[in-house]
Amino acid sequence: GESVGLHLPTLSVQEGDNSIINCAYSNSASDYFIWYKQESGKGPQFIIDIRSNMDKRQGQRVTVLLNKTVKHLSLQIAATQPGDSAVYFCAENIGAAGNKLTFGGGTRVLVKP
Amino acid sequence: EAGVTQFPSHSVIEKGQTVTLRCDPISGHDNLYWYRRVMGKEIKFLLHFVKESKQDESGMPNNRFLAERTGGTYSTLKVQPAELEDSGVYFCASSLFSNTEAFFGQGTRLTVV
Repeated sequence: GESVGLHLPTLSVQEGDNSIINCAYSNSASDYFIWYKQESGKGPQFIIDIRSNMDKRQGQRVTVLLNKTVKHLSLQIAATQPGDSAVYFCAENIGAAGNKLTFGGGTRVLVKP
Repeated sequence: EAGVTQFPSHSVIEKGQTVTLRCDPISGHDNLYWYRRVMGKEIKFLLHFVKESKQDESGMPNNRFLAERTGGTYSTLKVQPAELEDSGVYFCASSLFSNTEAFFGQGTRLTVV
């Protein structure tokens, strides 16, 4: 797949357990954060976003937490399913920059049956 | 509704040759973005079109890369001459507005040998 040569940290999780994926960002001026999921052979797919005026946002089975003090972002997936196996990327930008995103390196999630 | 489509899905060319990648955004999306991930690195922003105009090309690595979007519909990214370090996956994304969700294509894997 396209990740050959890219050494990604890997999170192995048992099906049904919760997953937590972490991301550190560097730009203090960033005010918009997005989590993307990328499955093999596909492009990044939007999962959930959060703006800097919030510290938590929930979606369907996913929760994003933002800690601006330490510039840390996390994605929690509840009751992880086999279909959640993918590479997950965090991305940040400054609102005025629109979709000019800065991506993190990615974390591979492997769901064990 | 068709998503963002990219052609070809995979291209293998020799060093020094020319390659042209194509992106068809979602119909009606004025904003079109090119990103790439070269081996071992994060996904990096290349440039942003608003209709046929280059809004931001700050991420273009050098003058061997030329992006066009004549007519404000599909876009091409030409690499001439290609170098080994250009190998990677090139993603295109589009959005209705610059601050609304960007949808990514499946990417073109470019291999320069």
